[in-house]
Amino acid sequence: DAGVTQSPTHLIKTRGQQVTLRCSPKSGHDTVSWYQQALGQGPQFIFQYYEEEERQRGNFPDRFSGHQFPNYSSELNVNALLLGDSALYLCASSLVQDFEQYFGPGTRLTVT
Amino acid sequence: DAKTTQPTSMDCAEGRAANLPCNHSTISGNEYVYWYRQIHSQGPQYIIHGLKNNETNEMASLIITEDRKSSTLILPHATLRDTAVYYCIVRVRGNTPLVFGKGTRLSVIA
Repeated sequence: DAGVTQSPTHLIKTRGQQVTLRCSPKSGHDTVSWYQQALGQGPQFIFQYYEEEERQRGNFPDRFSGHQFPNYSSELNVNALLLGDSALYLCASSLVQDFEQYFGPGTRLTVT
Repeated sequence: DAKTTQPTSMDCAEGRAANLPCNHSTISGNEYVYWYRQIHSQGPQYIIHGLKNNETNEMASLIITEDRKSSTLILPHATLRDTAVYYCIVRVRGNTPLVFGKGTRLSVIA
């Protein structure tokens, strides 16, 4: 049973560019949440997708957008990249009624 | 903002019990206490959760005080692989977001 997978593992982008990160949830899970983790900080919630709709959103600008597909996989898009967007981006999946969120290994984004 | 307070760092000798404290004095009646850990550069890993009773699983034990204002995560026989940042989180059941603080950096020393 595959756990949560994310791609790519690492990514280097230039300021002003756009980036798309991908996440496949754990088998059977229907909900995907995205978190941003800056160096030395705990993860911060970006948004959550369930039934292909954004259900909850943290305090992030609308440069951050997402999508969930019918197979429950998800994408995180960030437009107009800033140096401050450099971080580890984590995807977590869960069942809507469950206690636990299972995290993927993350995508390390570096903006130069 | 995180609703929990944890020490910044702790050391523990290998083979000894690691006791990680967490204060959550403003916890509501329907909020659970969750513990996650994050080994360097990996995604956080769920450890355990509880409401008001003590809980134990194959990884750890969770002791919650009677007034529910604090809790302790116990790793009974710490190994070098338990070196990680441990996060204590309070949240209601369901798909509410996890609100992480800075956690406790546990170093297990040989």
